[in-house]
Amino acid sequence: DMKVTQMPRYLIKRMGENVLLECGQDMSHETMYWYRQDPGLGLQLIYISYDVDSNSEGDIPKGYRVSRKKREHFSLILDSAKTNQTSVYFCASTIGGGHNQAPLFGEGTRLSVL
Amino acid sequence: QQKVQQSPESLTVSEGAMASLNCTFSDGTSNNFRWYRQHSAKGLEVLVSIFSDGEKEEGRFTAHLNRANLHVSLHIREPQPSDSAVYLCAVSIIRGRIFFGDGTQLVVKP
Repeated sequence: DMKVTQMPRYLIKRMGENVLLECGQDMSHETMYWYRQDPGLGLQLIYISYDVDSNSEGDIPKGYRVSRKKREHFSLILDSAKTNQTSVYFCASTIGGGHNQAPLFGEGTRLSVL
Repeated sequence: QQKVQQSPESLTVSEGAMASLNCTFSDGTSNNFRWYRQHSAKGLEVLVSIFSDGEKEEGRFTAHLNRANLHVSLHIREPQPSDSAVYLCAVSIIRGRIFFGDGTQLVVKP
């Protein structure tokens, strides 16, 4: 069954702590994404990865970094989290550039930074 | 930067009545359009993808694309209460960049 898995689903951190959000897929998709979703702002692209160690900034990369050492895993890292990074984070993946197959989304990680 | 706008912001329909959602985009070179559904506190579920002008049907969901008018719509036939969700329009150009609208909140009343 094709699936994008995000861990953890819920996370509470204090301001200044480091945060690691993990995403996995078992479909050998080349392209993976990290988005955040906030009320009134919709889905905003943080980073896009075209394959292992081939990552590009999205529209709001500041305060985030990513790691993709295996095709199946794409991590989002917040070094010294800030309260304005409280959000729902979604990971997605697709074959190639995503033109012919709609990206599959995970269920999201709800992060609260206190 | 691509701008994707959806209307209406919210829509209430009765069970069985057609629901119509609209999406406009700003970049006429866009070539890949999708509608997603998002139930509360859940991920995004793709409903229909369309790549050329005209109509594409997937079950009860039909997308209409008119690139000259920078417009794509979604029509839901015989909506059910379980279709109550946020519907997101997604538009792509090149190299996998996807731009989303802010969504339409659909409520289907029994």
